[in-house]
Amino acid sequence: DAGITQSPRHKVTETGTPVTLRCHQTENHRYMYWYRQDPGHGLRLIHYSYGVKDTDKGEVSDGYSVSRSKTEDFLLTLESATSSQTSVYFCAISPREPTNEKLFFGSGTQLSVL
Amino acid sequence: KNQVEQSPQSLIILEGKNCTLQCNYTVSPFSNLRWYKQDTGRGPVSLTIMTFSENTKSNGRYTATLDADTKQSSLHITASQLSDSASYICVVSEGGTNAGKSTFGDGTTLTVKP
Repeated sequence: DAGITQSPRHKVTETGTPVTLRCHQTENHRYMYWYRQDPGHGLRLIHYSYGVKDTDKGEVSDGYSVSRSKTEDFLLTLESATSSQTSVYFCAISPREPTNEKLFFGSGTQLSVL
Repeated sequence: KNQVEQSPQSLIILEGKNCTLQCNYTVSPFSNLRWYKQDTGRGPVSLTIMTFSENTKSNGRYTATLDADTKQSSLHITASQLSDSASYICVVSEGGTNAGKSTFGDGTTLTVKP
């Protein structure tokens, strides 16, 4: 998966607990993204980063925060997990602003909030 | 609201047969359209990317077409193989002031049977 590692691959947590998902890349790509994938919705952008410490919101950012302190790592935090955040989370990377660039995706993290 | 509609939702074909998947979109202004293949439990992988001026693009047994006037695209798979069983996702990106913003379709699940 193009040098992208997501961890953990699976997580079960309880409502109200904080959760952090990690995306690590070895490609030195500038752009990194977090998506969630749910049946009937396709992939939806949560947050993205266009450089170290440079992040911006996507279309479904409520309840999520991100941090990027190093080029290779992009963290997604659920401050207080809710059942509606049960989903599969994908990290993606791109070398340049992807107007005409393809995205490279990680293998995903299956998160269940009980 | 920009939308990407894919049909059929699912499809079952016999190995060796051809099939065509459809993607209709309302995204405007248009920048590019991408097709991704997503195997079960994995992240999407790019198959093709098409810009406004491109009508057809091939990648091995996969051929994508684009009609920017009618806002339709198709993905044709020739001589299907068992390994083609996957979800196929159409993604349309905006140009103009929202350049890079992408809308994902829900995908078509293809099952190839021996």
